[in-house]
Amino acid sequence: DGGITQSPKYLFRKEGQNVTLSCEQNLNHDAMYWYRQDPGQGLRLIYYSQIVNDFQKGDIAEGYSVSREKKESFPLTVTSAQKNPTAFYLCASSKGTGGFSEQFFGPGTRLTVL
Amino acid sequence: QKEVEQDPGPLSVPEGAIVSLNCTYSNSAFQYFMWYRQYSRKGPELLMYTYSSGNKEDGRFTAQVDKSSKYISLFIRDSQPSDSATYLCAMSGSGGYQKVTFGTGTKLQVIP
Repeated sequence: DGGITQSPKYLFRKEGQNVTLSCEQNLNHDAMYWYRQDPGQGLRLIYYSQIVNDFQKGDIAEGYSVSREKKESFPLTVTSAQKNPTAFYLCASSKGTGGFSEQFFGPGTRLTVL
Repeated sequence: QKEVEQDPGPLSVPEGAIVSLNCTYSNSAFQYFMWYRQYSRKGPELLMYTYSSGNKEDGRFTAQVDKSSKYISLFIRDSQPSDSATYLCAMSGSGGYQKVTFGTGTKLQVIP
């Protein structure tokens, strides 16, 4: 079955630690995205990548980093510089980025900072 | 002022009711209008999208866009308990890469 997988489902982090969230897709999509979802805030774009080895900052990139070494994978690192990292993180992918291109979402990772 | 405004609810209706969900927006460059459904602790899934103004129907779901009023709606007929979820509106422009701007979501509960 084609789709997007995110791991882990739940993640606990101590303050001052970096953590990496995994996102893998087997849809052969070129574009991938990371969003953060907080209550009452909707989805906010952290980073996106339109092609391998290239990515751009979204609206709230500070304290986060990404890489796109393979088409299938787009891991997100939450660094200790992110002041309020507790949130639900969603990865998405789309075939392209021009015109309308449906974004398919993974099941999410809930990160809690202890 | 947010680019996209959506009432968070919660909205509670009896089974079989017609549900109306709405969003307003301020960016006149938006051309694509989407509705996503998100079940608790899951990722959103696209329900339907429309381009520019007009109506679109898909089974029990109807999406309406009124660009002159900057107002979009999703109607659900004969609502079912399985429709209980959070509904997110989303919008983007056209041409090249266009960021998708999401509403905050409206939580819907359909009571059997």
